[in-house]
Amino acid sequence: KNQVEQSPQSLIILEGKNCTLQCNYTVSPFSNLRWYKQDTGRGPVSLTIMTFSENTKSNGRYTATLDADTKQSSLHITASQLSDSASYICVVTPNSGNTPLVFGKGTRLSVIA
Amino acid sequence: GAGVSQSPRYKVAKRGQDVALRCDPISGHVSLFWYQQALGQGPEFLTYFQNEAQLDKSGLPSDRFFAERPEGSVSTLKIQRTQQEDSAVYLCASSLDGSLDEQFFGPGTRLTVL
Repeated sequence: KNQVEQSPQSLIILEGKNCTLQCNYTVSPFSNLRWYKQDTGRGPVSLTIMTFSENTKSNGRYTATLDADTKQSSLHITASQLSDSASYICVVTPNSGNTPLVFGKGTRLSVIA
Repeated sequence: GAGVSQSPRYKVAKRGQDVALRCDPISGHVSLFWYQQALGQGPEFLTYFQNEAQLDKSGLPSDRFFAERPEGSVSTLKIQRTQQEDSAVYLCASSLDGSLDEQFFGPGTRLTVL
């Protein structure tokens, strides 16, 4: 069964610190892997997208990595800000246009002053 | 607006009531998706439309759930005889064409069944 597992489930860090969120998946083959940010009460917004041949992608203070051999991805947030408080969801697209996306349960990040 | 919109944003229903949730996708987006997101969980796929055709409804949890997109634009998710376990946020997303394209999500409708 296609699965996406994320860790940690939740995380609290001080403003200005860095953090790394983990994503392990079993979806294979896959087309791409995305990290989404979901603020409370809002829909998810895409942060990064990587195909199976890419191993890193940056978007400002967010850097995602992908190891297709070990089926692991990470999202690194640098110099965290209070506005980074949100859920971060790892999403894998199976390699078929009409197969549903596989979502992780997300990591709930709280950045405190 | 330029994004996906959903209405109502919040809905409280008594158990046994029928509800209808609306989604307005981004103009020109061919594909439309419905997801159910329980508290503290990631979105779970419900159903998928390509234009007006419902190509996949494998995620609908029971025959009380019904979705339509009659003109290939606005979509409605209907839940009949709501039950407490239906309480969740219902997210709609649209993409240019298919799930390989980026999906843009609406803000969701939070349904609470009492």
